[in-house]
Amino acid sequence: GQNIDQPTEMTATEGAIVQINCTYQTSGFNGLFWYQQHAGEAPTFLSYNVLDGLEEKGRFSSFLSRSKGYSYLLLKELQMKDSASYLCAVRPLYNTDKLIFGTGTRLQVFP
Amino acid sequence: DAGVTQSPTHLIKTRGQHVTLRCSPISGHKSVSWYQQVLGQGPQFIFQYYEKEERGRGNFPDRFSARQFPNYSSELNVNALLLGDSALYLCASSIYRGAGELFFGEGSRLTVL
Repeated sequence: GQNIDQPTEMTATEGAIVQINCTYQTSGFNGLFWYQQHAGEAPTFLSYNVLDGLEEKGRFSSFLSRSKGYSYLLLKELQMKDSASYLCAVRPLYNTDKLIFGTGTRLQVFP
Repeated sequence: DAGVTQSPTHLIKTRGQHVTLRCSPISGHKSVSWYQQVLGQGPQFIFQYYEKEERGRGNFPDRFSARQFPNYSSELNVNALLLGDSALYLCASSIYRGAGELFFGEGSRLTVL
């Protein structure tokens, strides 16, 4: 089967750092995505990892270990606007844009 | 540059009716995918089209169909609507199927009464 696991909810304080973990078990692997989704809105692309290691984009970083089936999204200098759901998704196959999504991690940032 | 655009943004239908949702990909993107997202869940893959051909289908009934036009825009059609079809329908585009980043539009929120 194909499975993406991530925590359901997390809380953090403004200005802090938070790490959202994602583990996956899929029949293949052709990239891992992180999306941010505010309530009632569409997912916004954050990062895409194909190779092992850390990708940094401003306050957001994403890490991938293919051998462990593990990724994390790191958010630094948290702001209130970062309160949202964060979706981890794996593209298991080549030549297709079918993504397998987790149920998302709802992050609440408090002042 | 415009992102992925979808229409309509919101619509209400009754059971048994039919609905058509439309999507225009980012300029230069040739691959369009459709996803369904119900409240509290991650998006579920419905279809992918590339160069006007279906390249992937998720676990959805035959009531769901789609097509892609020569300009790479796409339509999703759902027949004989059920209450359970109420969801946010998302369109995503990428330059080439199965490679690179995938960007979503704002979605079409369908309510079936």
